[in-house]
Amino acid sequence: NAGVTQTPKFQVLKTGQSMTLQCAQDMNHNSMYWYRQDPGMGLRLIYYSASEGTTDKGEVPNGYNVSRLNKREFSLRLESAAPSQTSVYFCASLRWQGSSYEQYFGPGTRLTVT
Amino acid sequence: QQQVKQSPQSLIVQKGGISIINCAYENTAFDYFPWYQQFPGKGPALLIAIRPDVSEKKEGRFTISFNKSAKQFSLHIMDSQPGDSATYFCAASSDPLGGRTGNQFYFGTGTSLTVIP
Repeated sequence: NAGVTQTPKFQVLKTGQSMTLQCAQDMNHNSMYWYRQDPGMGLRLIYYSASEGTTDKGEVPNGYNVSRLNKREFSLRLESAAPSQTSVYFCASLRWQGSSYEQYFGPGTRLTVT
Repeated sequence: QQQVKQSPQSLIVQKGGISIINCAYENTAFDYFPWYQQFPGKGPALLIAIRPDVSEKKEGRFTISFNKSAKQFSLHIMDSQPGDSATYFCAASSDPLGGRTGNQFYFGTGTSLTVIP
């Protein structure tokens, strides 16, 4: 049981390059999320997927696209990277259990755009 | 616009003392208020959470106090230990379908806690 895994751990891109961040969970959770974390800003939701086959925009979706490939995998794509997308990206999965929930975050991807 | 406002930005506490972190919100539709703990280089981890139908929830040394009328909630860490040194985030969420669908979590900006031995 690996929990939530993310690849890559680190990435440096030049402005205009594209890349896909991968996320997978093995806990059979229905919901998956992509957040970015910037100093002094907390975590901000980029996109989320309530269940397999659905995706929705979060607070800061511009410049990103997502794919819920199956129940396990949720990828985040930067089509044309910009320096403003330099951040730490976290994937998370969640399952409600009655009135509370079980949630786990991945270890993060540290992205630098030059 | 920050949906959840958190203070202080940083906090230094002596070992054995009480750490208190405060959060405030405006959206009365929020009905779930979790706290997360994050160590350097790691993802956040859910610590404790509360719903607005109770005013306090305690789990070990961690307590959430909730004031619905003031739209404020706080995390108290009793007998703070050096191992508690981390960044703490409050968050808020609402889900009109009672948790059976995806829902958005809005995070505070974080509090860096340092517990001095």
